[in-house]
Amino acid sequence: AQTVTQSQPEMSVQEAETVTLSCTYDTSESNYYLFWYKQPPSRQMILVIRQEAYKQQNATENRFSVNFQKAAKSFSLKISDSQLGDTAMYFCAFTPKTSYDKVIFGPGTSLSVIP
Amino acid sequence: GAVVSQHPSWVICKSGTSVKIECRSLDFQATTMFWYRQFPKQSLMLMATSNEGSKATYEQGVEKDKFLINHASLTLSTLTVTSAHPEDSSFYICSARRGGRGNQPQHFGDGTRLSIL
Repeated sequence: AQTVTQSQPEMSVQEAETVTLSCTYDTSESNYYLFWYKQPPSRQMILVIRQEAYKQQNATENRFSVNFQKAAKSFSLKISDSQLGDTAMYFCAFTPKTSYDKVIFGPGTSLSVIP
Repeated sequence: GAVVSQHPSWVICKSGTSVKIECRSLDFQATTMFWYRQFPKQSLMLMATSNEGSKATYEQGVEKDKFLINHASLTLSTLTVTSAHPEDSSFYICSARRGGRGNQPQHFGDGTRLSIL
């Protein structure tokens, strides 16, 4: 079975500091896609960053970057210079190439940015 | 680009009534749309996947007759909760994806909070 695990239910970080959210997944597939989604209190799901498994280079989007370790099946999200607007639930998600319609979400990490 | 509009954002209705939720892709054609249900402080649970012009594919445990999904065009999918009861109260989110490649991310609507009295 394919699963996504986020071991940190809640985290907090001081404004302007850096925080890393963990995500691990389990799959026998060799090619797949990974995503981080953000869900602020408004409840809208927003794509933060995505990574294709066959690309070794870690994806980066402004203050957001990932550490993709394929052998370890790890996909952590680093948020630099945290801002109050980063307060949200963060979901790690996985899509196997063999089944594009199946997006498997992790349980989420609630991040609070403290002023 | 890639804006998904979901309507209504909040609906309250009496038990036994049917409620229709619309999901529209405003600036792209969505070959595939998805419907999720989210309980408080929990992750998204996929209910069904709909492809334009064909029947929706429901996940195990989701009642097809309770949750009717129609995807009549490349920009519109609807979810109808029939004969709604209090246990159907939840947050429902739709998403849309263009093309068939997995690396095309799903773009989400703002969600609909459904409260059944």
